[in-house]
Amino acid sequence: QQPVQSPQAVILREGEDAVINCSSSKALYSVHWYRQKHGEAPVFLMILLKGGEQKGHEKISASFNEKKQQSSLYLTASQLSYSGTYFCGTESLTSGTYKYIFGTGTRLKVLA
Amino acid sequence: GAGVSQSPRYKVTKRGQDVALRCDPISGHVSLYWYRQALGQGPEFLTYFNYEAQQDKSGLPNDRFSAERPEGSISTLTIQRTEQRDSAMYRCASSLGRGPATNEKLFFGSGTQLSVL
Repeated sequence: QQPVQSPQAVILREGEDAVINCSSSKALYSVHWYRQKHGEAPVFLMILLKGGEQKGHEKISASFNEKKQQSSLYLTASQLSYSGTYFCGTESLTSGTYKYIFGTGTRLKVLA
Repeated sequence: GAGVSQSPRYKVTKRGQDVALRCDPISGHVSLYWYRQALGQGPEFLTYFNYEAQQDKSGLPNDRFSAERPEGSISTLTIQRTEQRDSAMYRCASSLGRGPATNEKLFFGSGTQLSVL
C-alpha cells in the first residue's frame, strides 16, 4: 500500500541532475514531495494536483502521471544543499476515506 | 506559535509504562496528523483529526495506542503498557485545510524520540 520510490539511494556530483520516482498502486488525488535532512523534520517542496497544476519550489520540478499513478521529481544542477532523503506523500481514496501516505524514501547525497 | 511544537523531544521509559506525547499545531490549522517514523524510512500514518474529530485511526497499531484533540488544537498521543517495539520517532504534522485531499502541505514538528527499555 505504501508508494514505492526509486532509486533507493543516489550519489551525485555538484551540478549533476537526478530523477526520483514515486509509484502508487492506488488512484492518486495529489502528490506531495518532501525533503528530510538527517535529524530534522520533513520539509515541503512541491505539490502536484490532478490536471497538471504544480505549486512549490523554484529550482525543483516534478511531473504527475495520473493514469500511471506515478510522479517524478527532477533535481537539476544539484547543489550540496539538496542532500537528504526525499519522500513522496500521496493522497488517495482508500476504503471510502482519503489517506495521506508517504513513500519508501530516496536518499540523495551530493558531493562537491 | 511559529511552527508545530512537540514535547518531550526525547522520552525514555521502561517497558510496561504509559507515555503521553504532546503536539501543539500551528495556530489555525484544521488538520492534525500523527506519524511514526523509523530511521531511514518514510513516515508511517497513525491517525488524523479535523478540528477535534478523529477522522481516521486505521494506522494505530493496536488498542494500546490512542489519540485525542479535545479542543481542536493540542493533541496527545498516548501509548499504554509500552513495549520495546514501540521505540521510534513519533511525528506530528498539521495543515491548514480539512485534510486529506485539500491540496494543503503538511508542516511537521521536530518529533518525539521514544525509547522503551
